[in-house]
Amino acid sequence: EDKVVQSPLSLVVHEGDTVTLNCSYEVTNFRSLLWYKQEKKAPTFLFMLTSSGIEKKSGRLSSILDKKELFSILNITATQTGDSAVYLCAVEDLYSGAGSYQLTFGKGTKLSVIP
Amino acid sequence: GAVVSQHPSWVICKSGTSVKIECRSLDFQATTMFWYRQFPKQSLMLMATSNEGSKATYEQGVEKDKFLINHASLTLSTLTVTSAHPEDSSFYICSARDIGLGRETQYFGPGTRLLVL
Repeated sequence: EDKVVQSPLSLVVHEGDTVTLNCSYEVTNFRSLLWYKQEKKAPTFLFMLTSSGIEKKSGRLSSILDKKELFSILNITATQTGDSAVYLCAVEDLYSGAGSYQLTFGKGTKLSVIP
Repeated sequence: GAVVSQHPSWVICKSGTSVKIECRSLDFQATTMFWYRQFPKQSLMLMATSNEGSKATYEQGVEKDKFLINHASLTLSTLTVTSAHPEDSSFYICSARDIGLGRETQYFGPGTRLLVL
């Protein structure tokens, strides 16, 4: 069973549109949820969320976490062609008493912004 | 869905020893696997691209003699950190690309935490 589910898998929008990407998860010993943007090589870190209801914002991007309903959303307003990428959600959970952790990635949402 | 596993999940070793990390694609064949390092609250750093049956392609600044990569089968790639030092302590993540059915999706493993004392 997938522990981190992103939706939609793929999205095509016009420049200027606002998009909302979803990430739901089911893990034990939740520690944090991370959003990444992957264009070519390695995923670029966007946000780390640990507390419910606190919006994190960076320019046109914002994200919020709901630990009760176990999901997070990533919003992008006034989209630009440069926002075209795969957006990955990953959940970090502790799995041993030694304090080590693992990351579980979703399959990503492929966003295409057309002029 | 496709699953990528890593073994071990975490390892503590003494400085100077070598550590091998395995990355396996469990239900698909992966001709290409990627190895990343991640530092807390930072982007993943691509270390190398591993292609089955050929030499890995290393990113600039990554020592190929330090980080040995072997991709001997379509479901297994290994990363060996040779003569590990404390500065090699990090979270190592692999991913595998599934090109089955004409789709290209990258699946990430759960990561291996390495602590070098």
